Amino acid sequence: LAKTTQPISMDSYEGQEVNITCSHNNIATNDYITWYQQFPSQGPRFIIQGYKTKVTNEVASLFIPADRKSSTLSLPRVSLSDTAVYYCLVGDSQNQAGTALIFGKGTTLSVSS
Amino acid sequence: ETGVTQTPRHLVMGMTNKKSLKCEQHLGHNAMYWYKQSAKKPLELMFVYSLEERVENNSVPSRFSPECPNSSHLFLHLHTLQPEDSALYLCASSQGTDIYGYTFGSGTRLTVV
Repeated sequence: LAKTTQPISMDSYEGQEVNITCSHNNIATNDYITWYQQFPSQGPRFIIQGYKTKVTNEVASLFIPADRKSSTLSLPRVSLSDTAVYYCLVGDSQNQAGTALIFGKGTTLSVSS
Repeated sequence: ETGVTQTPRHLVMGMTNKKSLKCEQHLGHNAMYWYKQSAKKPLELMFVYSLEERVENNSVPSRFSPECPNSSHLFLHLHTLQPEDSALYLCASSQGTDIYGYTFGSGTRLTVV
C-alpha cells in the first residue's frame, strides 16, 4: 500500500463541516483511496472509497483532485458522535487474498459542544 | 454487529495463565487477520491467514500462537504474557481483493496482571 500522510489531530464544534486531507504522492494507477473510522475500543469500519473526482454517501464525501496525489474527507455538520480516529489508506483494488491493511496513526477528530 | 464476532470482550489474565481469544466471521470471507492496538498507538498487524493458511507472521513473540481451523474461525492462544501485552486485540476478515471490504470485530480488551 502507498504511504499516506494526514494530520495527527483536529478539533471541531458540533454543526461544523470538517475536512481532513490526506497526502499520497506515490499513488499508483490502480490504487483506490479508502477511509476508515475507528471509535474508542472498537475496530475500524469502512466509511468511503474513491478513485477520482467526488464520491458521496450517507456518511461523508470524498474529494480527489485530478492528479490524485491527495484527497479530502469531508464530514458535513459533525456531531459529538463523530469523535473518532480517521484513517486514510491507498491500495490496489485487486489485492491478492490475505493482503493486510497497514494503518498509520490516523487523524484524531475531537468534536465539542 | 459487523459480522465478525470476537469473544471474550474483556479478559484479565495473570502472567502464568493460558487463555485463548476467539474470532468468528459469517461473511464468507477467505482471509482473516489479528491486529494489536496498544494505548495511543497505531494498529499493529500480527498475523494473516488466507484460505486457512498463515501467510504472514509479523515478528510476533512466540507467546502468541494463532490457529485457523477453518475459514470462519480464528483463534489467538496466549501463554506467559507480559504486562506490556495489555492491549485491544482486533480480528478482521476480508475477501482479499478490495481494501474497502475489510470488516473488523469489536475487539478483546486484554489486561495482563
